[in-house]
Amino acid sequence: KNEVEQSPQNLTAQEGEFITINCSYSVGISALHWLQQHPGGGIVSLFMLSSGKKKHGRLIATINIQEKHSSLHITASHPRDSAVYICALTGAGSYQLTFGKGTKLSVIP
Amino acid sequence: DAEITQSPRHKITETGRQVTLACHQTWNHNNMFWYRQDLGHGLRLIHYSYGVHDTNKGEVSDGYSVSRSNTEDLPLTLESAASSQTSVYFCASSLAGAGNDNEQFFGPGTRLTVL
Repeated sequence: KNEVEQSPQNLTAQEGEFITINCSYSVGISALHWLQQHPGGGIVSLFMLSSGKKKHGRLIATINIQEKHSSLHITASHPRDSAVYICALTGAGSYQLTFGKGTKLSVIP
Repeated sequence: DAEITQSPRHKITETGRQVTLACHQTWNHNNMFWYRQDLGHGLRLIHYSYGVHDTNKGEVSDGYSVSRSNTEDLPLTLESAASSQTSVYFCASSLAGAGNDNEQFFGPGTRLTVL
């Protein structure tokens, strides 16, 4: 059983579109993380949140603890947003991450 | 600037050889982690450490070992490399604590091929 489910697995969007990536989980958590990985590249932490909403530039992350669900939104998408976006959890009382399998986003000019 | 580095970045080895992947961080973080990334499986935890002389097994620890003799380094050793260990390996670190102190910082990765 996968504790972290992401959808969609693949997403193609036109430049300028509003994008939503979803993450559902089944266990208690202390925090939820959104990570970004560009092709052939390293992994960068975008957000870490345990409640509510966070915004950084064109990226917005929300979490609903009761529903065990988080979303990552990208407004006014751009080709440079093309990457794999990974949802990950920190379990209650621990620091290590459990990962979803990622969403591959391609933004076409 | 503080950073986390991995070496080598690419390694090709033969089945049965011992291999050590290095991870070094200058963040002075207590927590360090090793993950492997494979198509179809995503990222999975191999081993982790919450401080000097502390090591713990993760989800896929068989065939791997780590040791933590100082704060900065957590080398990952493959005792007898197997083809199933061909993967991309990421090291990460975080400061123990609540809130944003738990954000993880990742190294650039090591691509290991076992022939």
